[in-house]
Amino acid sequence: DVKVTQSSRYLVKRTGEKVFLECVQDMDHENMFWYRQDPGLGLRLIYFSYDVKMKEKGDIPEGYSVSREKKERFSLILESASTNQTSMYLCASSDDVDLYGYTFGSGTRLTVV
Amino acid sequence: QKEVEQNSGPLSVPEGAIASLNCTYSDRGSQSFFWYRQYSGKSPELIMFIYSNGDKEDGRFTAQLNKASQYVSLLIRDSQPSDSATYLCAVRGGSQGNLIFGKGTKLSVKP
Repeated sequence: DVKVTQSSRYLVKRTGEKVFLECVQDMDHENMFWYRQDPGLGLRLIYFSYDVKMKEKGDIPEGYSVSREKKERFSLILESASTNQTSMYLCASSDDVDLYGYTFGSGTRLTVV
Repeated sequence: QKEVEQNSGPLSVPEGAIASLNCTYSDRGSQSFFWYRQYSGKSPELIMFIYSNGDKEDGRFTAQLNKASQYVSLLIRDSQPSDSATYLCAVRGGSQGNLIFGKGTKLSVKP
């Protein structure tokens, strides 16, 4: 089975801190995605990547950046954390979105205080 | 803005009944449709996918697709308390090939 690993299950950070959320997949997938999930708002796409060193903005990229230096690793960066970035962050990967959809990581629940 | 709509629920059914979950989508060009199950505090897991009009069965789950009506549904037969979760409908239709998710329907199966 594909495994998508998010390095932290729970994180608490202070306002203004730079926060790194790491995601690693072990199946050589080219496609990787970062979403946040909030009650009543559902899953919203932040950034995605279809290849190493490639990144594309999703629907809500403001306040975030990403890095993909290696195929298996896709990092989400909160440049200066704010309380409105408190959320569940979900990483996903896919070999072919049309055929297989996504495999999600276990999620990181981030609280910014 | 391409959209996927689901009734938020909660949908409550007795154990052993059929649960019917519905989803509509706005992009007529969408080709791939997925159902994810998400338990409270967990991440979504894929349970069904469908590409062609009609029904697709996998165990107790049946996905139904009607592209003319832009409608996709999930039936769960012989519902069990362990089926209690939020079910997310997802459609591949983003401008760059990503999945667009509905907000989910919360299902509660009562023993």
